[in-house]
Amino acid sequence: QKEVEQDPGPLSVPEGAIVSLNCTYSNSAFQYFMWYRQYSRKGPELLMYTYSSGNKEDGRFTAQVDKSSKYISLFIRDSQPSDSATYLCAMSGASGGSYIPTFGRGTSLIVHP
Amino acid sequence: GAGVSQSPSNKVTEKGKDVELRCDPISGHTALYWYRQSLGQGLEFLIYFQGNSAPDKSGLPSDRFSAERTGGSVSTLTIQRTQQEDSAVYLCASSYPPQTNTEAFFGQGTRLTVV
Repeated sequence: QKEVEQDPGPLSVPEGAIVSLNCTYSNSAFQYFMWYRQYSRKGPELLMYTYSSGNKEDGRFTAQVDKSSKYISLFIRDSQPSDSATYLCAMSGASGGSYIPTFGRGTSLIVHP
Repeated sequence: GAGVSQSPSNKVTEKGKDVELRCDPISGHTALYWYRQSLGQGLEFLIYFQGNSAPDKSGLPSDRFSAERTGGSVSTLTIQRTQQEDSAVYLCASSYPPQTNTEAFFGQGTRLTVV
């Protein structure tokens, strides 16, 4: 079992839909939870991160962390075709003093007009 | 430049040849990572450099893989005697501050194809 599990999709939604992307994890030492967006043939770019449990909102994006369930989510409101990309969750925690991010496989999102 | 720069962007090599991939991190970033991304797979951690500390090489898949970071800046990932299973996109990232490394900035990657 991988430390971080993420459904690869693809997830296809119509423009304007609310999108829910999720990851589960097994390592209880993870403290920081990140979401990256990766367009085709580009490097990942950080969308947002949260520390420990709770919610964080940034524009149309909301990240949720439930450490008790080892489950994190990213919600995208009013999705746009430009949101079509692969979304990777990542998480890190103290391990020998370093916080090397562990990534999920990524979920491919397609928002069609 | 302002971002992480990787070169070459694409590399096709014959099986058995050695290759070198280069990463120029963002100036002032003390942490540097190499990841590998195979088709349909997530990012696989390879190696991590933090300042002058000994690198964390725990992700290197075999002794054919090595990396160095000179002067705390530029890094080179070397793959010796390449195999077809080495074909992947190799991504470099840098970050600061080092304590949590939550905001890693990635380069565009080097797409390696071993034929």
